[in-house]
Amino acid sequence: SQQGEEDPQALSIQEGENATMNCSYKTSINNLQWYRQNSGRGLVHLILIRSNEREKHSGRLRVTLDTSKKSSSLLITASRAADTASYFCATDGNSGTYKYIFGTGTRLKVLA
Amino acid sequence: DTEVTQTPKHLVMGMTNKKSLKCEQHMGHRAMYWYKQKAKKPPELMFVYSYEKLSINESVPSRFSPECPNSSLLNLHLHALQPEDSALYLCASSQMRTDPTSIAKNIQYFGAGTRLSVL
Repeated sequence: SQQGEEDPQALSIQEGENATMNCSYKTSINNLQWYRQNSGRGLVHLILIRSNEREKHSGRLRVTLDTSKKSSSLLITASRAADTASYFCATDGNSGTYKYIFGTGTRLKVLA
Repeated sequence: DTEVTQTPKHLVMGMTNKKSLKCEQHMGHRAMYWYKQKAKKPPELMFVYSYEKLSINESVPSRFSPECPNSSLLNLHLHALQPEDSALYLCASSQMRTDPTSIAKNIQYFGAGTRLSVL
């Protein structure tokens, strides 16, 4: 399977704490994206990092990419109850097609 | 307008029924996708349409039949489904990607999904 692996599978933290989730993938990529999914809803794009970038920030989000290890991490700082959701990484597999492979996901619960 | 609209939101059908899921976007995107998602699992790609032509079929059983009648609409026709086909079906769209490193053209916009139950 080309599917990426994410860890942890589930994470529970207190509001105000930071949350870190990791994604590992198997093939070379052009870019890696992170998406958020609220329970039973569609996915929302959060951030994209290109294969030649090592770190990217967007608001309270910080994404790192290590192509030598085929891994990425998403850090959410100062978490809020509204951040409770599942988070998925998605890679394009450098295939030149429109095929995106989603990781297994991390279910984040932020306790108020 | 960055919205992808899926109807219906919920669908219950028997194994002998024929039903259709609909997806609509007005962002001018020419790539459209169907995904299937089981509980606590990631979305799994089923089909990709580019310029209204089927470009990717991930070996999906023929009881799922996609259709792209125009650049704004995507349908998924369902016939003789099995209980294991019960899932959340997600539609997404994106710009056509001439440069795979382009940020905007790699972003997928998802609908809220159709929750399908097959009895």
